[in-house]
Amino acid sequence: IQLTQSPSSLSASVGDRVTITCRASQGISSYLAWYQQKPGKDPKLLIYAASTLQSGVPSRFSGSGSGTDFTLTISSLQPEDFATYYCQQLNSFPYTFGQGTKLEIK
Amino acid sequence: EVQLVESGGGLVQPGGSLRLSCAASGFTFSTYSMNWVRQAPGKGLEWVSYISIGSRTIHYAESVKGRFTISRDTAKKSLYLQMNSLRVEDTAVYYCVREREYSSSLDYWGQGTLVTVSS
Repeated sequence: IQLTQSPSSLSASVGDRVTITCRASQGISSYLAWYQQKPGKDPKLLIYAASTLQSGVPSRFSGSGSGTDFTLTISSLQPEDFATYYCQQLNSFPYTFGQGTKLEIK
Repeated sequence: EVQLVESGGGLVQPGGSLRLSCAASGFTFSTYSMNWVRQAPGKGLEWVSYISIGSRTIHYAESVKGRFTISRDTAKKSLYLQMNSLRVEDTAVYYCVREREYSSSLDYWGQGTLVTVSS
């Protein structure tokens, strides 16, 4: 199953609302997770089961979607949110990741 | 506190072998499925392998199938990845990752260990 994220990169300002999309090549129900990765660090789980916020993750992050189309939304960007974001499907093996979306400061 | 600590990375020549280890603590290792995920320098994340509770089910990415072997030792609370016939394109940081129940996500990641395949 291929996952296509868009955009691949994005420039935004602190306080902006940002949406990243992830499209699966076939239906994956809600077996989708979102991760945040900062340079030199391991990825951090943000959202699982498409829309459930991982414990400790700020409520400005939210996820939605099912089937083939999913979104990650950051309601009001904070300085610490500038990072690369990945979606991942766990519906079937091989697990796959999207190519990543790099979120940069405008 | 959940901790996953990888070791065993290093520099190896093409065609060589390496065994990665991951020491788990802070949770009941025997009740979680585990994965290896890698990231080549400057590239995205690539899932490598999965092992279920009790080692009943194992899966590999096509890119490593027949060359890599995943295993676990419940008594030692450890996960392993035996890597044979290594290629230049296997160069990456390898992460040991816990899988949340019901295949919903990879919820805890180690800090990673770097494997460099080069002559």
